[in-house]
Amino acid sequence: ELKVEQNPLFLSMQEGKNYTIYCNYSTTSDRLYWYRQDPGKSLESLFVLLSNGAVKQEGRLMASLDTKARLSTLHITAAVHDLSATYFCAATSGTYKYIFGTGTRLKVLA
Amino acid sequence: KAGVTQTPRYLIKTRGQQVTLSCSPISGHRSVSWYQQTPGQGLQFLFEYFSETQRNKGNFPGRFSGRQFSNSRSEMNVSTLELGDSALYLCASSLVPQGLIGYTFGSGTRLTVV
Repeated sequence: ELKVEQNPLFLSMQEGKNYTIYCNYSTTSDRLYWYRQDPGKSLESLFVLLSNGAVKQEGRLMASLDTKARLSTLHITAAVHDLSATYFCAATSGTYKYIFGTGTRLKVLA
Repeated sequence: KAGVTQTPRYLIKTRGQQVTLSCSPISGHRSVSWYQQTPGQGLQFLFEYFSETQRNKGNFPGRFSGRQFSNSRSEMNVSTLELGDSALYLCASSLVPQGLIGYTFGSGTRLTVV
């Protein structure tokens, strides 16, 4: 059964610094998704990664996928306070099942 | 363009009661999935519907059920509520399952069981 693990679970970083969130999944997955959730709010879709080697960037966030290693990364460049949120990755198990990672709670300190 | 609408936003129920949550997807979206979010278990998949058929189900007891109507609106029902059912229930919709742009999530229904 597909399992998705993220690390770290908590991340406190200074503004201007770079960091990477890791998402490992246990079995073959066709796609990998990244979402953001602000406190008390719903999830916002950030990236959809469709194939091995896929890389997508939006502002200070860049996501990549290595299907052979079953690993996706979310890289944060020069963090700013507005990026403080919880980030989730999700992988797919079959066509109709979506498994989320544990989430990484990011806090960017001024 | 209206987003995914979940009603009600908040709900307080007593143990043993049942509850029905509603989700209206984005117009044109035919895939609706449901998730339970708790601090301890995180986001857990409940089920997904596409064209009125349940296509997959997560590892939840039979007390959790759902359905999808011809207009793609979906309802989720939990019978014989337990304290552990207290959670944020999120609904998500997509044009097709696992769409190229991911799912759009609603704001959720926060259920408290007392």
